[in-house]
Amino acid sequence: NAGVTQTPKFQVLKTGQSMTLQCAQDMNHNSMYWYRQDPGMGLRLIYYSASEGTTDKGEVPNGYNVSRLNKREFSLRLESAAPSQTSVYFCASSLTSVETQYFGPGTRLLVL
Amino acid sequence: AQSVTQLDSQVPVFEEAPVELRCNYSSSVSVYLFWYVQYPNQGLQLLLKYLSGSTLVESINGFEAEFNKSQTSFHLRKPSVHISDTAEYFCAVRSRNDYKLSFGAGTTVTVRA
Repeated sequence: NAGVTQTPKFQVLKTGQSMTLQCAQDMNHNSMYWYRQDPGMGLRLIYYSASEGTTDKGEVPNGYNVSRLNKREFSLRLESAAPSQTSVYFCASSLTSVETQYFGPGTRLLVL
Repeated sequence: AQSVTQLDSQVPVFEEAPVELRCNYSSSVSVYLFWYVQYPNQGLQLLLKYLSGSTLVESINGFEAEFNKSQTSFHLRKPSVHISDTAEYFCAVRSRNDYKLSFGAGTTVTVRA
């Protein structure tokens, strides 16, 4: 089992460009999450999907959209990237919303 | 709502010395507690967790953490560290019936020979 996988591993964008970060899990988990990690701030939840077909905003959703494509995949889209979105993005999944979360390896995003 | 405070941002330590990483939380309801580890250029890995039962929990690589409800703490300890323990450690808390996982700011442990 690969667990949680994320693509790409690293991306450089110019301000105003758009991109989609991909996440997939092979653990048959129902719940999936997107976090961003910034120095000195730990991880902050961007969006959450309790199950296929549902999504909810987290702590810092502005500037992002998500799609729960199916049970395995949960993508994060930046429609118009800003330098403030320079960060490391982590996807996570859990069997249910009250079970332990398991994390992917992360995507490093630099917005110039 | 809950919050987590990791009291040390950087902890330098010599190889084979003990280390303690401090974590305090605040919550108005019962919680689950977690320690995650992030090795350089990698994602987060679950190190150990407290859900219920014994307040002392252990990981497979020699770390242990003790849940202290009266002091609202979940400090992480290892009696003898290795160079390979160099990493960033995150304490996290979640209310028992909620999905929201709140993280501390992280503690960077640097082990030197």
